[in-house]
Amino acid sequence: AQKITQTQPGMFVQEKEAVTLDCTYDTSDQSYGLFWYKQPSSGEMIFLIYQGSYDEQNATEGRYSLNFQKARKSANLVISASQLGDSAMYFCAMREGPAGNQFYFGTGTSLTVIP
Amino acid sequence: NAGVMQNPRHLVRRRGQEARLRCSPMKGHSHVYWYRQLPEEGLKFMVYLQKENIIDESGMPKERFSAEFPKEGPSILRIQQVVRGDSAAYFCASSPQQGSTDTQYFGPGTRLTVL
Repeated sequence: AQKITQTQPGMFVQEKEAVTLDCTYDTSDQSYGLFWYKQPSSGEMIFLIYQGSYDEQNATEGRYSLNFQKARKSANLVISASQLGDSAMYFCAMREGPAGNQFYFGTGTSLTVIP
Repeated sequence: NAGVMQNPRHLVRRRGQEARLRCSPMKGHSHVYWYRQLPEEGLKFMVYLQKENIIDESGMPKERFSAEFPKEGPSILRIQQVVRGDSAAYFCASSPQQGSTDTQYFGPGTRLTVL
């Protein structure tokens, strides 16, 4: 089974609107971390936001928030007030266990912000 | 505070040649990870190293690929006798600690093209 599933290959959003990018995960560990990264066309991977499995509050970082629903095993990224510079690939990732070595990445969602 | 450095950014090799990719982690980070991203895919874990030790190489192909992180100097990912299927972006990441709550910070990647 896939550890991270991103079911939206491509998304479009109007500038200044909010958009939700979906991510579901699969793990039997109690301790894990969930991460979102942005990959613009230039190719680098930019860390956006982190949610720990024991965190009771949803993580927020500026215009980014993570809608964490533990029972559903989902960790959706919400971008508010979209900007043209938000157009990029977005990857959801998970790190398992108290000493997980690797990140498991989803296949990504391509977001295009329309002026 | 410099981020993760990778060089070269772009590397072109002919089939059968060797490719050497370098990664300098962020200052204060002693954990290094290598990932490979094939076109249109997410990142796949290859290997996790600490200084002078390979901790987890479960994602590394058994032949032609090797990695090291010497006491002095950058981490090196070495691909011998490259084939066209090795063409990909190779990302290095580093973290200060190892655990599910620790973010991995990525370098800009090395784009390897095998002719």
